[in-house]
Amino acid sequence: GNSVTQMEGPVTLSEEAFLTINCTYTATGYPSLFWYVQYPGEGLQLLLKATKADDKGSNKGFEATYRKETTSFHLEKGSVQVSDSAVYFCALGGSGGSNYKLTFGKGTLLTVNP
Amino acid sequence: ETGVTQSPTHLIKTRGQQVTLRCSSQSGHNTVSWYQQALGQGPQFIFQYYREEENGRGNFPPRFSGLQFPNYSSELNVNALELDDSALYLCASSLDPSSDIGYFGPGTRLTVT
Repeated sequence: GNSVTQMEGPVTLSEEAFLTINCTYTATGYPSLFWYVQYPGEGLQLLLKATKADDKGSNKGFEATYRKETTSFHLEKGSVQVSDSAVYFCALGGSGGSNYKLTFGKGTLLTVNP
Repeated sequence: ETGVTQSPTHLIKTRGQQVTLRCSSQSGHNTVSWYQQALGQGPQFIFQYYREEENGRGNFPPRFSGLQFPNYSSELNVNALELDDSALYLCASSLDPSSDIGYFGPGTRLTVT
């Protein structure tokens, strides 16, 4: 079945540092891939997505590229801010853009210090 | 403003009891999905409701059941509670079953003792 393996946390960075959170997946077909973020005290919210190979999702300075050859969807940001401190979840959905029955990774806690 | 609300925020139950959790979907959304998030884990899909019918189910036993009402709000019912049911239960709504889930509700923290 589908599964997502996400980089173990916690990750602690200084402000303006470069961020990478690794995510790899196992799935049949061509799933859609998502990153969700959970800020302290809030529910999960969709950060970005990609629906097919070589697509790049981007939002709020974060980027992730759908790599079919390496079954990966790593999250990157060039310069993190204190406000980026949150838990980040990689998720896998259905093919064709559907996010029905999402499969999530365990989440990675990011702390950014001033 | 996500528009998805859940109640109650926290709940403590005893093993063997039954519990009902509630979710109000975002305005205009006719699809509700429920997820269970155990401590230190990612959310796991329980089931989805679309226009008052179950529209898919994850790997959860029948004692996990749900309802969706004409206003598209939803309930999650769990019978014969077990200690392993202790988790954060998340609800999310979407425009329809094929639309992205933009926001999850804040969740209900269930503790089974």
